[in-house]
Amino acid sequence: DTGVSQDPRHKITKRGQNVTFRCDPISEHNRLYWYRQTLGQGPEFLTYFQNEAQLEKSRLLSDRFSAERPKGSFSTLEIQRTEQGDSAMYLCASSLSSGFGNTIYFGEGSWLTVV
Amino acid sequence: GQSLEQPSEVTAVEGAIVQINCTYQTSGFYGLSWYQQHDGGAPTFLSYNALDGLEETGRFSSFLSRSDSYGYLLLQELQMKDSASYFCAVSPQGYNKLIFGAGTRLAVHP
Repeated sequence: DTGVSQDPRHKITKRGQNVTFRCDPISEHNRLYWYRQTLGQGPEFLTYFQNEAQLEKSRLLSDRFSAERPKGSFSTLEIQRTEQGDSAMYLCASSLSSGFGNTIYFGEGSWLTVV
Repeated sequence: GQSLEQPSEVTAVEGAIVQINCTYQTSGFYGLSWYQQHDGGAPTFLSYNALDGLEETGRFSSFLSRSDSYGYLLLQELQMKDSASYFCAVSPQGYNKLIFGAGTRLAVHP
């Protein structure tokens, strides 16, 4: 059984650099989500896709953040001109859009440290 | 907007029962979910309530009162491995998108 996988698991970057994270959802899942989590807090919703369409973006997602899901399978989250405040764990999750039941499956996350 | 409140920390001993409360304010509501997260791990699904009442899954139960905008997670026969953070989450728009609370850190002691 392949769950949600994320790569890289850890990234240390200098302020001002660009970083990209990749997420491979569970294969039959058509919904894919990105969340951000900082220590001691719950996951904060960033954006989600239904197949390849990006249906919603949080106000947390500044212009420096862009997410894509070009073929409705894997997704990438790019952060341009990173800032120290971007240091967090970036979680990807996937689900079916069949409605009732609300089980979202999370990956192990990609830890970002901006120095 | 949405807001969820849950206690930041709870401590209990092995074998005991603990209840973690969650109150919410949301512009729309489709259900209340509970997730468990061990340090360094992924949040994992525990339970979901869309209707009032109690849902039981093994040692874990979850309760929802929509009229009171309140729910709780009940953990019975606590084990050391239950030490983790527990998050309540609401679905304000449709069944899948989740908005999480800040989490309750549960410490189980021998």
